[in-house]
Amino acid sequence: DAGVTQSPTHLIKTRGQQVTLRCSPKSGHDTVSWYQQALGQGPQFIFQYYEEEERQRGNFPDRFSGHQFPNYSSELNVNALLLGDSALYLCASSSPREWEEEQYFGPGTRLTVT
Amino acid sequence: QKEVEQDPGPLSVPEGAIVSLNCTYSNSAFQYFMWYRQYSRKGPELLMYTYSSGNKEDGRFTAQVDKSSKYISLFIRDSQPSDSATYLCAVSYGNNRLAFGKGNQVVVIP
Repeated sequence: DAGVTQSPTHLIKTRGQQVTLRCSPKSGHDTVSWYQQALGQGPQFIFQYYEEEERQRGNFPDRFSGHQFPNYSSELNVNALLLGDSALYLCASSSPREWEEEQYFGPGTRLTVT
Repeated sequence: QKEVEQDPGPLSVPEGAIVSLNCTYSNSAFQYFMWYRQYSRKGPELLMYTYSSGNKEDGRFTAQVDKSSKYISLFIRDSQPSDSATYLCAVSYGNNRLAFGKGNQVVVIP
């Protein structure tokens, strides 16, 4: 049973560029949440997708956007990258048919903005 | 005010010692209180959770919630080198959206 997978593992971008990160949820899960974890910090909630729509959003600017596909996979897009966007981006999946508070996290994508 | 506060200081203990970790939270409306463990280069994984107040025990791990003081704790008994990881407390209103503390890096020395 495949867990949550994310790609790419690492990414280096230049300030002002745009980036797309990808996530495949755990088998049987249909809800995908994205978190940003800066170095030495806990993960911060960015947004959550369910049934291809953004269901909840944290305190992140509009430069952060996302998408969920019919197969429940998801993308996180960040435009106009800033140095402060350097972080580990975590994807987590869950299902309303299970206990939704238990979120399964992927290994993350390490984004470095130079 | 942050939703959950966790003193991020690292912790080194000898094998077999008791590890004690704690967090405070700001909003009494939080319903679920969780501890996640994160190994290096991995995503967090749920270790334990508590609904409302009280204690919960799972093997060498005990989670406590005191809603009157908005305080949550995790105790690890007979700590092992394999327990070396970062421990993150998290709270939720029950809306599948987690607010995390900064995490404590724990090192258990053989």
